[in-house]
Formats: sequence, structure tokens, C-alpha cells
Amino acid sequence: DSGVTQTPKHLITATGQRVTLRCSPRSGDLSVYWYQQSLDQGLQFLIQYYNGEERAKGNILERFSAQQFPDLHSELNLSSLELGDSALYFCASSSGGGRTEAFFGQGTRLTVV
Amino acid sequence: GEDVEQSLFLSVREGDSSVINCTYTDSSSTYLYWYKQEPGAGLQLLTYIFSNMDMKQDQRLTVLLNKKDKHLSLRIADTQTGDSAIYFCALGGSNYQLIWGAGTKLIIKP
Repeated sequence: DSGVTQTPKHLITATGQRVTLRCSPRSGDLSVYWYQQSLDQGLQFLIQYYNGEERAKGNILERFSAQQFPDLHSELNLSSLELGDSALYFCASSSGGGRTEAFFGQGTRLTVV
Repeated sequence: GEDVEQSLFLSVREGDSSVINCTYTDSSSTYLYWYKQEPGAGLQLLTYIFSNMDMKQDQRLTVLLNKKDKHLSLRIADTQTGDSAIYFCALGGSNYQLIWGAGTKLIIKP
């Protein structure tokens, strides 16, 4: 158990809809990362938050947004969903200190139908 | 920017050693990591090496770092069926970023 909790584990929704994925980082970790992993593809970095503020942005679509709350949990909002958004979405957390290793949650499998 | 490359597949026989390779372009990373992803699961941190080290051994795992050639490898001794997974190398970049390879799928032949 990495200590990172993601909910829900599975999500099935229709095209055009909006969903929210939730992540609780490891206790004490200030940094949260969101990744997308499509079938047979590597990890695509979406966005990083550190202590409530956006720190880095990767290949995140404009239809997607995220935030980190004062209690350090984070939410990833996906809107106007398309079939191609079906993927595994991972959250990871790190302490944000000198070492950068990240600890991953089990992921949310999103299926858009 | 930083580029990290890995072969997509590696096939080995059970009991043999597996060597998974990773090459990178930027040598400023302080820490270099190996992660394992089993089917349907999240990524698990396997091991890491500090940039001023050449080798690190942890039970069946050996990490080698060749800074001159910008080459990182993960050797798994006595490979077992439970080692079947995708292995990602990741470099700790600037601004607390992790730069990821595409992952190597390790296939174990009986």
C-alpha cells in the first residue's frame, strides 16, 4: 500500500459528460501529480500541484482541470468527455523535498462510452 | 528538453537474468528511479540510485549507472514469473519533476 488513495476505482460515463477524480496523498506529502495512461502507452504527465499551487503543467487538455485543496487532497476534473479520454488516471504524491520519488495510487479506470 | 528512452519489450527465460536499459539526454538529475507496474495496478517504486553512485544492489536487483554514456540499467537476477510487468525508468528533473521513459514490458518465457 503506497498510502495514496484514489477514488473511484472505476468510472463509466457517456461522451459529453463531466467527471471528477479524487486523490488523497500520502500523509505529509505536499506534492501531487496527475498522469494519464492510455492502453499500450506510457505515462503522460498532466499536471503537478505543490502545497495548493500549480507547479507544472504537462500535456493537459483545456477540457481538463485540477486543483489541490488546503487539506492537500486533489481533484482532477474532466469535462466534455470524448471516447479517446478513456484511460487509467493515476495520482502520485511526493514530499516535494530534495528527493523526488513519487508514490502512486492504484488509479481510476475511466471508460467513456 | 530531457529525453528518456527505453526499449518497449524484453523477453527472457525464467531463471535467467533480465537487463532493462534506459538512456537519457540530461545529466543533471540527482536521483534516478526504477518503477514496476503490474497488470491493472499502479506504479510501485522498486529502487533508486543517487547520481554520484555507479551501482546499487538490493537483493535480486542491481542498478548500474554510467554517467559518461548517460545509461541506466536494471538487472533482475533469477527472473521469475512474478517479475512480469512494465518497468519504467524515471529521472528526477528540475523543479521536482520526474521525467519518464515509455516503459519496458518484461515477458517471461517458461
